[in-house]
Amino acid sequence: GAGVSQTPSNKVTEKGKYVELRCDPISGHTALYWYRQSLGQGPEFLIYFQGTGAADDSGLPNDRFFAVRPEGSVSTLKIQRTERGDSAVYLCASSPDRANEQYFGPGTRLTVT
Amino acid sequence: DAKTTQPPSMDCAEGRAANLPCNHSTISGNEYVYWYRQIHSQGPQYIIHGLKNNETNEMASLIITEDRKSSTLILPHATLRDTAVYYCIVRVAREGGSEKLVFGKGTKLTVNP
Repeated sequence: GAGVSQTPSNKVTEKGKYVELRCDPISGHTALYWYRQSLGQGPEFLIYFQGTGAADDSGLPNDRFFAVRPEGSVSTLKIQRTERGDSAVYLCASSPDRANEQYFGPGTRLTVT
Repeated sequence: DAKTTQPPSMDCAEGRAANLPCNHSTISGNEYVYWYRQIHSQGPQYIIHGLKNNETNEMASLIITEDRKSSTLILPHATLRDTAVYYCIVRVAREGGSEKLVFGKGTKLTVNP
């Protein structure tokens, strides 16, 4: 079956612009996670959804970052007024329930110039 | 949150067993040890997890010490495709059920021909 997919695979934007990153989880997975990975570092947790609601958004670095999952499936990570420090690979993962292993997508590489 | 300590890098000859150590001396009684790996330019991939008993699946074996303060991931016959960064993670459980993964820097395993 299809795995987690993320679009776009690469995104280049100018400082100050708004971007949206999309995640399509594995069908039927209720839990969805966003992580961010900077060069040479392990992934860093951003936000976790259980169904439609954000159960834990403690990893979002500031109020420029926001994520939604309106129908409990596809999720969008939104970044306002992008900064060069936002450049990273943004990873999405899904899980059939919160206790099981997480399945990761290939990530979106965001470059802010 | 329990932290893990891993060597930054290791080498292994193709066809030999790769033994990757991890220290997690502050692990709590109900926390699991998870292993993920990340091949270059891909999202992390689940390998195996365990609580206190040794575990084996088609990918690897996990040996957890009796005091649970350390573990070893064993790839019995390493291939060139096993070259990756391997992450040892203690599963964090928060009120509300967020099972986020807390990644360190992992061990960069290089399998040599």
